[in-house]
Amino acid sequence: GNSVTQMEGPVTLSEEAFLTINCTYTATGYPSLFWYVQYPGEGLQLLLKATKADDKGSNKGFEATYRKETTSFHLEKGSVQVSDSAVYFCALGSNFGNEKLTFGTGTRLTIIP
Amino acid sequence: EPEVTQTPSHQVTQMGQEVILRCVPISNHLYFYWYRQILGQKVEFLVSFYNNEISEKSEIFDDQFSVERPDGSNFTLKIRSTKLEDSAMYFCAGRQGAVNTEAFFGQGTRLTVV
Repeated sequence: GNSVTQMEGPVTLSEEAFLTINCTYTATGYPSLFWYVQYPGEGLQLLLKATKADDKGSNKGFEATYRKETTSFHLEKGSVQVSDSAVYFCALGSNFGNEKLTFGTGTRLTIIP
Repeated sequence: EPEVTQTPSHQVTQMGQEVILRCVPISNHLYFYWYRQILGQKVEFLVSFYNNEISEKSEIFDDQFSVERPDGSNFTLKIRSTKLEDSAMYFCAGRQGAVNTEAFFGQGTRLTVV
């Protein structure tokens, strides 16, 4: 079945540091890949997505590239801000039928000024 | 911007009691979901709902769980007789279309069974 393995947290970085949160997946077929973010007290929000191999999703300075050869979808940002402090979830969607999502465990990111 | 609303934000209940978690999805969504996250573990799929019936459910979604959308707006998850291991954050989500459309999530309900 489908599964997502995500970098364990928590991760603490200084403002303007470079961020990488690793995500690898196991899936049958050709899933879509997602990063969701949960800010304190809020629901899960879609941060970015990629629907096929070699696609790059990007939003708010974050990027992730769908790498089929390494089954990875690592999240990166060149210069993090305090406002990026949140929990980040990697997920994959089945692309069939009701397209439920399979999530990783989430990585709590804290940015200190 | 339309959003998915879940109530209550936190529910404490005694073991063996019934709980109903409520969700108001975005009005033009057609596909609805419940997920849960036990503290420190993965977000897990529970059930999907389309056209007023369950379209898929996970192994977690046993006979103690049920969902309904009785009035075309509220989407509820009922746990008939709660167990300690049901303590988790429960997320409701909805999507407009079947494939490659974004899922919108609520803020979650934290259920604590004591």
